[in-house]
Amino acid sequence: TQLLEQSPQFLSIQEGENLTVYCNSSSVFSSLQWYRQEPGEGPVLLVTVVTGGEVKKLKRLTFQFGDARKDSSLHITAAQPGDTGLYLCAGASDNFNKFYFGSGTKLNVKP
Amino acid sequence: DAGVIQSPRHEVTEMGQEVTLRCKPISGHDYLFWYRQTMMRGLELLIYFNNNVPIDDSGMPEDRFSAKMPNASFSTLKIQPSEPRDSAVYFCASSLWGQGLFFGPGTRLTVL
Repeated sequence: TQLLEQSPQFLSIQEGENLTVYCNSSSVFSSLQWYRQEPGEGPVLLVTVVTGGEVKKLKRLTFQFGDARKDSSLHITAAQPGDTGLYLCAGASDNFNKFYFGSGTKLNVKP
Repeated sequence: DAGVIQSPRHEVTEMGQEVTLRCKPISGHDYLFWYRQTMMRGLELLIYFNNNVPIDDSGMPEDRFSAKMPNASFSTLKIQPSEPRDSAVYFCASSLWGQGLFFGPGTRLTVL
């Protein structure tokens, strides 16, 4: 049983389109992180959100932490082929040290 | 700066053999994590250390798995004896308290 559920599992879009990926849980997390993983490599940290309702922007990527700190979303504006990869959310336990990963969203951006 | 280093990158072995995976964390990081990734189960936390001490090993599948961290710059994950269902990509990651994880490139293990 996954502590964190991500949706959709797979997403294939054309370059220039917008998309949103969701990360949901029934548990409260002290912080939530988003990672991107490319084939044959380890996940790479994109962002950490800590406060309920927090919104962070990283160029074309917008991350939001739910008010109750149980869910998060990642929105990509004008997707590019370089955004292709597996997007993973991870929730941190109360002591900020144990990280539970979601099931992942596999994004393919076609040129 | 060197990132997290893992070796070997690929390991193919036969059922029943002992497998040892190695990890060198980022210098100065005081947390080290071992994860396993499969298509079916995603990324699973196996064990993590703080200042070389194992804190939580509740994710270790069974007694065939063991992990050590003899010093701040080295950790091993050992499987003995290995089984085909252990086939997966094993990641090591390190971090500072409250910070994000820095992952190594992973070891792809295939047990025949």
